[in-house]
Amino acid sequence: ETGVTQSPTHLIKTRGQQVTLRCSSQSGHNTVSWYQQALGQGPQFIFQYYREEENGRGNFPPRFSGLQFPNYSSELNVNALELDDSALYLCASSLPRQNYGYTFGSGTRLTVV
Amino acid sequence: GIQVEQSPPDLILQEGANSTLRCNFSDSVNNLQWFHQNPWGQLINLFYIPSGTKQNGRLSATTVATERYSLLYISSSQTTDSGVYFCAVVWDDKIIFGKGTRLHILP
Repeated sequence: ETGVTQSPTHLIKTRGQQVTLRCSSQSGHNTVSWYQQALGQGPQFIFQYYREEENGRGNFPPRFSGLQFPNYSSELNVNALELDDSALYLCASSLPRQNYGYTFGSGTRLTVV
Repeated sequence: GIQVEQSPPDLILQEGANSTLRCNFSDSVNNLQWFHQNPWGQLINLFYIPSGTKQNGRLSATTVATERYSLLYISSSQTTDSGVYFCAVVWDDKIIFGKGTRLHILP
Protein backbone atom coordinates (compact mmCIF):
# COMPACT_ATOMS: atom_id res chain seq x y z
CA GLU A 1 0.00 0.00 0.00
CA THR A 2 1.55 3.26 -1.13
CA GLY A 3 1.21 6.45 0.92
CA VAL A 4 0.76 10.01 -0.24
CA THR A 5 3.76 11.53 -1.98
CA GLN A 6 4.28 15.20 -2.74
CA SER A 7 6.74 16.92 -5.02
CA PRO A 8 8.88 18.88 -4.91
CA THR A 9 9.87 18.81 -1.23
CA HIS A 10 11.26 22.35 -1.29
CA LEU A 11 10.84 25.23 -3.69
CA ILE A 12 11.95 28.85 -3.90
CA LYS A 13 10.03 31.25 -6.13
CA THR A 14 10.04 34.98 -6.76
CA ARG A 15 7.07 37.21 -5.99
CA GLY A 16 4.72 37.36 -8.99
CA GLN A 17 5.69 33.96 -10.36
CA GLN A 18 3.45 30.93 -10.69
CA VAL A 19 3.98 27.54 -9.01
CA THR A 20 2.58 24.02 -9.41
CA LEU A 21 2.73 21.50 -6.58
CA ARG A 22 1.94 17.82 -7.09
CA CYS A 23 0.40 15.09 -4.97
CA SER A 24 -0.22 11.40 -5.56
CA SER A 25 -3.00 9.79 -3.54
CA GLN A 26 -2.83 6.68 -1.43
CA SER A 27 -3.94 3.61 -3.32
CA GLY A 28 -7.73 3.27 -3.17
CA HIS A 29 -8.36 6.89 -2.13
CA ASN A 30 -10.26 9.05 -4.61
CA THR A 31 -10.61 12.26 -2.62
CA VAL A 32 -7.75 14.71 -2.17
CA SER A 33 -7.58 17.89 -0.14
CA TRP A 34 -4.92 20.60 0.11
CA TYR A 35 -3.81 22.67 3.11
CA GLN A 36 -1.55 25.65 3.70
CA GLN A 37 0.44 25.67 6.93
CA ALA A 38 2.20 28.90 7.84
CA LEU A 39 5.03 28.76 10.34
CA GLY A 40 3.74 28.13 13.86
CA GLN A 41 0.13 27.70 12.74
CA GLY A 42 -2.21 24.81 12.13
CA PRO A 43 -2.97 23.72 8.56
CA GLN A 44 -5.62 25.80 6.77
CA PHE A 45 -7.99 24.05 4.35
CA ILE A 46 -7.60 25.30 0.74
CA PHE A 47 -9.89 22.99 -1.25
CA GLN A 48 -10.93 19.41 -1.86
CA TYR A 49 -11.37 17.39 -5.08
CA TYR A 50 -13.52 14.34 -5.69
CA ARG A 51 -13.94 12.71 -9.10
CA GLU A 52 -11.90 15.49 -10.73
CA GLU A 53 -14.19 18.26 -9.46
CA GLU A 54 -13.73 20.75 -6.65
CA ASN A 55 -16.29 20.00 -3.93
CA GLY A 56 -15.25 22.27 -1.08
CA ARG A 57 -13.15 25.39 -0.73
CA GLY A 58 -11.69 27.37 2.15
CA ASN A 59 -11.10 31.09 2.38
CA PHE A 60 -8.45 31.36 -0.36
CA PRO A 61 -8.47 33.67 -3.42
CA PRO A 62 -9.05 32.38 -6.97
CA ARG A 63 -5.33 32.51 -7.75
CA PHE A 64 -5.21 29.25 -5.79
CA SER A 65 -6.54 26.58 -8.14
CA GLY A 66 -6.29 22.86 -8.51
CA LEU A 67 -6.76 19.81 -10.67
CA GLN A 68 -7.45 16.17 -10.00
CA PHE A 69 -6.59 13.59 -12.65
CA PRO A 70 -8.29 10.27 -13.50
CA ASN A 71 -5.64 8.40 -11.50
CA TYR A 72 -6.65 10.58 -8.49
CA SER A 73 -3.35 12.44 -8.38
CA SER A 74 -3.68 16.19 -7.96
CA GLU A 75 -2.03 19.54 -8.56
CA LEU A 76 -2.18 22.80 -6.64
CA ASN A 77 -1.46 25.90 -8.73
CA VAL A 78 -0.79 29.32 -7.28
CA ASN A 79 -0.56 32.35 -9.56
CA ALA A 80 0.91 35.77 -8.85
CA LEU A 81 2.81 34.56 -5.80
CA GLU A 82 2.95 36.83 -2.78
CA LEU A 83 5.42 36.79 0.10
CA ASP A 84 2.65 35.57 2.44
CA ASP A 85 2.24 32.46 0.30
CA SER A 86 5.44 31.14 1.87
CA ALA A 87 4.33 28.07 3.81
CA LEU A 88 4.26 24.29 4.00
CA TYR A 89 1.64 22.92 1.58
CA LEU A 90 0.14 19.59 2.56
CA CYS A 91 -2.13 17.29 0.66
CA ALA A 92 -4.20 14.47 2.08
CA SER A 93 -6.12 11.66 0.46
CA SER A 94 -9.15 9.87 1.81
CA LEU A 95 -12.24 7.95 0.84
CA PRO A 96 -15.26 10.13 -0.03
CA ARG A 97 -17.58 11.36 2.70
CA GLN A 98 -15.43 9.73 5.31
CA ASN A 99 -14.62 12.06 8.18
CA TYR A 100 -11.54 10.13 9.22
CA GLY A 101 -8.80 8.03 7.69
CA TYR A 102 -6.95 10.96 6.10
CA THR A 103 -3.43 10.13 4.90
CA PHE A 104 -1.16 13.15 4.63
CA GLY A 105 1.96 13.64 2.57
CA SER A 106 5.13 15.21 3.97
CA GLY A 107 4.42 18.48 2.22
CA THR A 108 6.12 20.97 -0.06
CA ARG A 109 7.86 23.86 1.63
CA LEU A 110 7.43 26.94 -0.58
CA THR A 111 9.48 30.06 -0.02
CA VAL A 112 8.56 33.23 -1.92
CA VAL A 113 11.26 35.89 -2.07
CA GLY B 1 -17.50 29.08 11.85
CA ILE B 2 -16.29 26.64 14.42
CA GLN B 3 -13.32 27.51 16.63
CA VAL B 4 -10.79 24.89 17.72
CA GLU B 5 -8.48 25.89 20.56
CA GLN B 6 -5.59 23.90 21.96
CA SER B 7 -3.63 24.24 25.17
CA PRO B 8 -0.94 24.58 26.21
CA PRO B 9 0.75 26.05 23.12
CA ASP B 10 4.14 24.73 24.24
CA LEU B 11 5.17 21.99 26.64
CA ILE B 12 8.69 20.96 27.68
CA LEU B 13 9.06 17.73 29.61
CA GLN B 14 11.76 15.36 30.72
CA GLU B 15 11.80 11.90 29.19
CA GLY B 16 9.57 9.57 31.20
CA ALA B 17 7.08 12.23 32.25
CA ASN B 18 3.35 12.14 31.52
CA SER B 19 1.46 14.90 29.71
CA THR B 20 -2.09 15.99 28.98
CA LEU B 21 -3.00 18.07 25.93
CA ARG B 22 -6.38 19.73 25.66
CA CYS B 23 -8.62 20.66 22.72
CA ASN B 24 -11.76 22.79 23.09
CA PHE B 25 -14.22 23.31 20.26
CA SER B 26 -16.96 25.89 19.99
CA ASP B 27 -19.77 23.84 18.48
CA SER B 28 -21.10 20.31 18.45
CA VAL B 29 -19.04 17.95 16.34
CA ASN B 30 -18.97 14.20 15.86
CA ASN B 31 -15.65 13.68 14.19
CA LEU B 32 -12.73 14.91 16.31
CA GLN B 33 -9.26 13.65 15.40
CA TRP B 34 -5.78 13.96 16.88
CA PHE B 35 -2.68 14.22 14.69
CA HIS B 36 1.05 14.26 15.38
CA GLN B 37 3.25 16.30 13.05
CA ASN B 38 6.80 15.01 13.02
CA PRO B 39 9.86 17.23 12.51
CA TRP B 40 9.76 16.48 8.77
CA GLY B 41 6.26 17.94 8.47
CA GLN B 42 4.21 14.80 8.01
CA LEU B 43 0.88 14.57 9.82
CA ILE B 44 0.14 11.19 11.33
CA ASN B 45 -3.39 10.36 12.40
CA LEU B 46 -3.34 9.21 16.04
CA PHE B 47 -7.01 8.88 16.94
CA TYR B 48 -10.42 9.32 15.44
CA ILE B 49 -12.43 9.91 18.59
CA PRO B 50 -15.82 11.60 18.25
CA SER B 51 -16.67 10.50 21.82
CA GLY B 52 -15.49 8.19 24.56
CA THR B 53 -11.98 6.94 25.24
CA LYS B 54 -9.45 5.11 23.11
CA GLN B 55 -5.97 3.84 23.88
CA ASN B 56 -3.04 2.95 21.67
CA GLY B 57 0.06 1.97 23.61
CA ARG B 58 1.32 4.91 25.64
CA LEU B 59 -1.22 7.25 24.07
CA SER B 60 -4.86 7.59 24.94
CA ALA B 61 -7.57 10.10 24.14
CA THR B 62 -10.90 11.07 25.63
CA THR B 63 -13.60 13.20 24.05
CA VAL B 64 -16.55 14.58 26.00
CA ALA B 65 -18.67 15.79 23.13
CA THR B 66 -21.42 17.26 25.33
CA GLU B 67 -18.85 19.52 27.02
CA ARG B 68 -16.98 20.23 23.77
CA TYR B 69 -13.49 19.13 24.68
CA SER B 70 -11.01 16.37 24.07
CA LEU B 71 -7.86 15.33 25.91
CA LEU B 72 -4.78 13.52 24.63
CA TYR B 73 -2.68 11.72 27.22
CA ILE B 74 0.92 10.69 26.65
CA SER B 75 2.48 8.49 29.31
CA SER B 76 6.15 7.72 29.87
CA SER B 77 7.20 10.27 27.21
CA GLN B 78 10.03 9.43 24.84
CA THR B 79 12.13 11.82 22.77
CA THR B 80 10.42 10.47 19.65
CA ASP B 81 7.15 11.91 20.96
CA SER B 82 8.48 15.41 20.27
CA GLY B 83 6.68 17.41 17.63
CA VAL B 84 3.41 19.25 17.26
CA TYR B 85 0.08 17.71 18.21
CA PHE B 86 -3.05 18.95 16.45
CA CYS B 87 -6.67 18.28 17.05
CA ALA B 88 -9.03 18.74 14.11
CA VAL B 89 -12.73 18.54 13.36
CA VAL B 90 -14.62 18.23 10.09
CA TRP B 91 -16.98 21.19 9.72
CA ASP B 92 -18.92 22.07 6.57
CA ASP B 93 -16.87 19.48 4.63
CA LYS B 94 -13.60 21.10 5.70
CA ILE B 95 -11.02 19.87 8.22
CA ILE B 96 -10.51 22.64 10.79
CA PHE B 97 -7.28 22.34 12.75
CA GLY B 98 -6.33 23.95 16.03
CA LYS B 99 -3.02 25.81 16.29
CA GLY B 100 -1.37 22.83 17.95
CA THR B 101 0.65 22.03 21.05
CA ARG B 102 4.41 21.93 20.50
CA LEU B 103 5.87 19.19 22.69
CA HIS B 104 9.59 18.98 23.50
CA ILE B 105 10.79 15.85 25.28
CA LEU B 106 14.26 16.28 26.75
CA PRO B 107 16.55 13.25 27.11
